[in-house]
Amino acid sequence: EAGVTQFPSHSVIEKGQTVTLRCDPISGHDNLYWYRRVMGKEIKFLLHFVKESKQDESGMPNNRFLAERTGGTYSTLKVQPAELEDSGVYFCASSPRIRGGASYNEQFFGPGTRLTVL
Amino acid sequence: GQNIDQPTEMTATEGAIVQINCTYQTSGFNGLFWYQQHAGEAPTFLSYNVLDGLEEKGRFSSFLSRSKGYSYLLLKELQMKDSASYLCAVTGTYKYIFGTGTRLKVLA
Repeated sequence: EAGVTQFPSHSVIEKGQTVTLRCDPISGHDNLYWYRRVMGKEIKFLLHFVKESKQDESGMPNNRFLAERTGGTYSTLKVQPAELEDSGVYFCASSPRIRGGASYNEQFFGPGTRLTVL
Repeated sequence: GQNIDQPTEMTATEGAIVQINCTYQTSGFNGLFWYQQHAGEAPTFLSYNVLDGLEEKGRFSSFLSRSKGYSYLLLKELQMKDSASYLCAVTGTYKYIFGTGTRLKVLA
């Protein structure tokens, strides 16, 4: 079974440009998450999709970030315009639907996209 | 507020035992995960604790005390391939709240 894949693995752009990151979750996983790790800091939650709906986007830093998951399959995260502080590693994770009453929610992570804004 | 603390770095010798601690203060708790991450790779699942006590899985064990907000990951019979970052993550509903991770170096 294929794991979570992310594209590109690296991206170097200039301040003010636009970048779009893509995540392909494990097939059949309803839940999709975006996280970000800025240098020297912990991995931080950005947002959570359940199928195509945004369940929680409380971690999105500002309106320069736009995430979509059309059709409930792959997701994109667009940064427009990019700023220096957006540099970091962006991780995507997915998990299957949690059945009623269950607490276990193992998330499967992709290898991340390393974004460098110059 | 929400806070998860782990040591930044640890060093141990091949064949030894190492314990990586994690303390947490979160507004909700629905389980604690440990993940392993090699440089440039995806974090991979190691263990999950939601009840107090010890969970053992081969060379790795994880312990949880909910009343103390404390967990540890115990790695036995260390191997060179165990050199990696170890991430503690607490979940309330769906999202994970991570610690900064502990970088473990295993020396020959």
